[in-house]
This record gives sequence, structure tokens and C-alpha cells, in this order.
Amino acid sequence: EVQLVESGGGLVQPGGSLRLSCTASGFTFSIHWMTWVRQVPGKGLEWLANIKGDGSEKYYVDSLNGRFTISRDNVRNSLYLQMNSLRVEDTAVYYCARDRGNHVDWGQGTLVTVSS
Amino acid sequence: EIVLTQSPGTVSLSPGERAALSCRASQSFSSAYLAWYQQKPGQPPRLLILGGSTRTPGVPARFSGSGSGTDFTLTISRLEPEDYGIYYCQMTGHSWSTFGPGTRVDIK
Repeated sequence: EVQLVESGGGLVQPGGSLRLSCTASGFTFSIHWMTWVRQVPGKGLEWLANIKGDGSEKYYVDSLNGRFTISRDNVRNSLYLQMNSLRVEDTAVYYCARDRGNHVDWGQGTLVTVSS
Repeated sequence: EIVLTQSPGTVSLSPGERAALSCRASQSFSSAYLAWYQQKPGQPPRLLILGGSTRTPGVPARFSGSGSGTDFTLTISRLEPEDYGIYYCQMTGHSWSTFGPGTRVDIK
């Protein structure tokens, strides 16, 4: 069974940084593209970034303007999202997802709250 | 950049009625990369349809996907009380992806 467990969410002040982690199990992590998606409370889904299985390709939504970095550790079966210069509008549930090419498999999400 | 638009924004129907949810793209693309999800409060989205029309295991037959080019539809043939939620379409590619804004389905 595919399992994706996010961690690292919490309360952070505007301008601060946070690193989200996602631990994967139930599939061969290293061969799959992985994705981060977020959802502002009460709003829709926003695709943020994805990364190829070997880490050699990474893509981001333009609106992030370089503030977030996706990475992975295939030895630890883990996906990461480094978030810098956080803003109040980055408050959201952040989902880790396995990218299947024509859909994604979702984790349960972790809440990030940016507030002073 | 392809933008997905979903309509209606909200629909309120009675059990047994038919719901037709639209997903329209700003450019034509292959239905092979079109997925539909259902999301209920406090839960991650649940995959219903991939490849535009293929139901995933466990999804009831009352859910069907169709369409091509720029116009895609998720149809729920006879609504059940448990079909409430927000329905999202997603277009995917390995270097990008995007979601529609969602259609909220309320059961009267």
C-alpha cells in the first residue's frame, strides 16, 4: 500500500523558513516523480513543484519566485520542501504526492501557518 | 500556461438527480492527462477518474468522465448522499500541472 506521510508543518513568523518532509513507503520511491501541492484553507488546490526520480529535473510554479526548493533523498525514501521568506499567504495545507504522469497519489497533508 | 475553468461553481441537487460538472481548458490537450478528484472536508482529494474517462478501482459506476480537446465533463448519473464535496479536475504533465478551481456539490 502506498503511504506518504508529511511532517514539519507548524507555526512560523512572516519572513521565516520551514522545511517540510515526506516519508514514502509501499513503492519504489527512486523511480517516481514526486510533487508538492498546497491548499489554502477553504480554497482550491495549487500545484507547487515536482522532481524527477533521480533528482535531475525540478519544476516549479512561476509564482513561487525562487522562495521554495524541492529535493529528495532516495536512500531515506524522503521528499522535502524548503520554504524561505514565508508570507502570510503561504498559510496552507501542504500535500506530498506521487506523480503518476496522469494523476497523483496523495498524502494526508501538513498544515503550515504563517503568522506573527 | 494552460488554465482550467470549472462550472458551475456550486450545484445543489437531490439524491437520484444527475450532475454534470464541466472542466474547460484554455488550450486543447489530450484527455490522457486529465484527472478528476473528489474532496471532502478535512481529507486529501480522492482520485475518481484518470485518463479522462477511466474510473479507478472502488469508484462507483455512477461516476463517468468524458470529453476531448478543451471540454471535459464529470457526470454523476444518480446522486447519492455521500457524493457531496468539491470536485477538481487536474491536467498533468511531468514538468507541470494545474488544477481547476473546483465545483462544490451539495446534496439537498
